[in-house]
Amino acid sequence: KQEVTQIPAALSVPEGENLVLNCSFTDSAIYNLQWFRQDPGKGLTSLLLIQSSQREQTSGRLNASLDKSSGRSTLYIAASQPGDSATYLCAGRDSGGYQKVTFGIGTKLQVIP
Amino acid sequence: NAGVTQTPKFRILKIGQSMTLQCTQDMNHNYMYWYRQDPGMGLKLIYYSVGAGITDKGEVPNGYNVSRSTTEDFPLRLELAAPSQTSVYFCASIPAGLAGSEQFFGPGTRLTVL
Repeated sequence: KQEVTQIPAALSVPEGENLVLNCSFTDSAIYNLQWFRQDPGKGLTSLLLIQSSQREQTSGRLNASLDKSSGRSTLYIAASQPGDSATYLCAGRDSGGYQKVTFGIGTKLQVIP
Repeated sequence: NAGVTQTPKFRILKIGQSMTLQCTQDMNHNYMYWYRQDPGMGLKLIYYSVGAGITDKGEVPNGYNVSRSTTEDFPLRLELAAPSQTSVYFCASIPAGLAGSEQFFGPGTRLTVL
């Protein structure tokens, strides 16, 4: 059974700092891993998706990496801004069956101006 | 494309009432899912469907039912609402068998049972 853990649960940083959010998973037979952003009271916005055959993906100030052998993914945010404040969720998708997606509980990020 | 749409956005139910949460996607996706998200928690899978006419239980199916008569629609039925079903409900979809495909989410339905 896939389990996804995100550390830390909460993070507060000053504006401009580079930061790393961590996601670990127990089953390395992962199909892909997706990072989402969720603002308070809102839905999920997809940020980046990394396929199992890939090592990293980049979009603007965001870079996500995937290391299947160690069961880890990281989301790197460069030059953080107050607008980056949100909860960040990672989700691992299985390859078989109904392609189950298992979510972590998220890291709540606050970027202080 | 509208993507994944959900109605209603908000609803307050009394204990014992029933309701249907609607979910529609216009991307011709095979796989559809219903999740619930309790405050400060991750998403838990309620039910899923791999195609029209095929549904199955997820992690927390008790108190819910689903149907999938068309590729586009995947309604979630709450029978005899209970306070424990107060949550935010998200519908999502994925095209089948593509590792590069994202899971698309609807905007959610915020349900309160009093």
